[in-house]
Amino acid sequence: EAGVAQSPRYKIIEKRQSVAFWCNPISGHATLYWYQQILGQGPKLLIQFQNNGVVDDSQLPKDRFSAERLKGVDSTLKIQPAKLEDSAVYLCASSPYPDRGRTGELFFGEGSRLTVL
Amino acid sequence: QKEVEQNSGPLSVPEGAIASLNCTYSDRVSQSFFWYRQYSGKSPELIMSIYSNGDKEDGRFTAQLNKASQYVSLLIRDSQPSDSATYLCAARNQFYFGTGTSLTVIP
Repeated sequence: EAGVAQSPRYKIIEKRQSVAFWCNPISGHATLYWYQQILGQGPKLLIQFQNNGVVDDSQLPKDRFSAERLKGVDSTLKIQPAKLEDSAVYLCASSPYPDRGRTGELFFGEGSRLTVL
Repeated sequence: QKEVEQNSGPLSVPEGAIASLNCTYSDRVSQSFFWYRQYSGKSPELIMSIYSNGDKEDGRFTAQLNKASQYVSLLIRDSQPSDSATYLCAARNQFYFGTGTSLTVIP
């Protein structure tokens, strides 16, 4: 079974530029998450999708970050314009269960490492 | 938004000892709790899940849950150098993670 695919693995941009990350979850997984992990910190949930609807985007900086999940499969996360503090690893994860109480594990992709200069 | 809190450590234990990792959570609605391990430069991977009060054992790992105290812990028995990693606690209402505890097992 193929795992969660993410691209690009690495990206270096200058501040105020834009960047987009792509995620393809495990086939059949209804729930998709984007996390931001700054070095030395735990993953911070940015947005959670259930199929193609947003369940939680309370921690997404909506003035510069946007995310979509078309057709309930692939997802893209965009940052525009980027700031220095956006330097982090962006992790995509998927889960086979909907968000109701007892749920299963998250399957993570390898992450996309962003450096903003 | 600190839904889940952990001691960031670092925690160092000698090989063969018991490592104890602790986590508290604020959302009483959370029903499911998870411990993930993250090696440096890698993505998190699930090692334990627990839903009911009490202990759950899986090999060298034991998860403990106390919902009244809003407390989750992970015990690693017979710690090995390969256990050296960051351990992340997650509470399932919206799958928020704690800041992680860095564990080093000294040979």
